[in-house]
Amino acid sequence: GQNIDQPTEMTATEGAIVQINCTYQTSGFNGLFWYQQHAGEAPTFLSYNVLDGLEEKGRFSSFLSRSKGYSYLLLKELQMKDSASYLCAVLDSNYQLIWGAGTKLIIKP
Amino acid sequence: IAGITQAPTSQILAAGRRMTLRCTQDMRHNAMYWYRQDLGLGLRLIHYSNTAGTTGKGEVPDGYSVSRANTDDFPLTLASAVPSQTSVYFCASRNRETDTQYFGPGTRLTVL
Repeated sequence: GQNIDQPTEMTATEGAIVQINCTYQTSGFNGLFWYQQHAGEAPTFLSYNVLDGLEEKGRFSSFLSRSKGYSYLLLKELQMKDSASYLCAVLDSNYQLIWGAGTKLIIKP
Repeated sequence: IAGITQAPTSQILAAGRRMTLRCTQDMRHNAMYWYRQDLGLGLRLIHYSNTAGTTGKGEVPDGYSVSRANTDDFPLTLASAVPSQTSVYFCASRNRETDTQYFGPGTRLTVL
């Protein structure tokens, strides 16, 4: 079967760093995506990893290890506006996205 | 239009009624998708279309149908709504060069 696991909820402090983990078991792999979703809004694209390693984009970085079926999203210098759900999704062998349930990130002042 | 639009934004529907959710994109993406999102669950694929004139079933297609007469439009129809179809519905399209999916704003549907 196909499975993507990520923590349900995390809490962090404004200005700090947080790492959101994602593990996956899917039929085929053509890349891993991270999306951000604010409450009541649509998911928006954050990052895409297809090769092992770290991709950095401003305050956000995403890491992938294909051999371990593992990815993480790293958010630095947290701001209150980063309070949102973060969705991990794998592009499977049919080029369809398989989604995790999302991690709700709560930022406290 | 810039991106993907969906209509209506929200709807309350009596069980047994027929309903069509509309989705239009102006990015000329070939592939389009319909998802439903329920609390505690990941986005689940209902139907998809890889190109105009073709459609396919996703993970949860029962009770839903789609059509793809042209590149821009991808309507989702509930033939006879049931309360378990209460959900938020997102339409998305995929950029073939980057494989990135872009989402519409969603339709919040309540079936009573």
